[in-house]
Amino acid sequence: NAGVTQTPKFRVLKTGQSMTLLCAQDMNHEYMYWYRQDPGMGLRLIHYSVGEGTTAKGEVPDGYNVSRLKKQNFLLGLESAAPSQTSVYFCATAIRLATADTQYFGPGTRLTVL
Amino acid sequence: AQSVTQPDIHITVSEGASLELRCNYSYGATPYLFWYVQSPGQGLQLLLKYFSGDTLVQGIKGFEAEFKRSQSSFNLRKPSVHWSDAAEYFCAVGKTNYGGSQGNLIFGKGTKLSVKP
Repeated sequence: NAGVTQTPKFRVLKTGQSMTLLCAQDMNHEYMYWYRQDPGMGLRLIHYSVGEGTTAKGEVPDGYNVSRLKKQNFLLGLESAAPSQTSVYFCATAIRLATADTQYFGPGTRLTVL
Repeated sequence: AQSVTQPDIHITVSEGASLELRCNYSYGATPYLFWYVQSPGQGLQLLLKYFSGDTLVQGIKGFEAEFKRSQSSFNLRKPSVHWSDAAEYFCAVGKTNYGGSQGNLIFGKGTKLSVKP
């Protein structure tokens, strides 16, 4: 089992370019999350999904879009990248959207926007 | 609003010494609390969690944490630190009633642990 995988691992964009980050999981978890991690800021939730075909906004959703067309995949899109979106992006999954449930994290994608 | 504070940005301890990482939370009801560890270049791994019952929680890798409601704290401890424990540690609280749904986590800003030989 691969668990939670993220593609790509690294990416450099120019301001205004677009890209999509892919999160894939083979654990059959219903719930998936996208976070960004910035130095000294901890992790902040961008968007999340409670199941195939559903998405919801998190704490910092502006400038990002997401889609969950298949249960195992959660895509994070940047339509017009900005330097403020330079960050490390983590995907996570959970069995349930329960307050005490464990979230399982992918290895991260390091994105630099010039 | 729920929040998590980790007062120490960076801590250095000697190998074999004891460790305590501090975490304070703000929450109006019984909190659900987590400690995650992040090794360099890696994702986050759950060390332990508390949601009810015994206030002393045992986790993986020899870590434990104690929930103290009166102090709004959930400090992480280890009696003897190993060089492989060098990493960044994040405390998190389960957030409820977020947009009508439950389950999102609020993370502290992290404490980086360095281990001296």
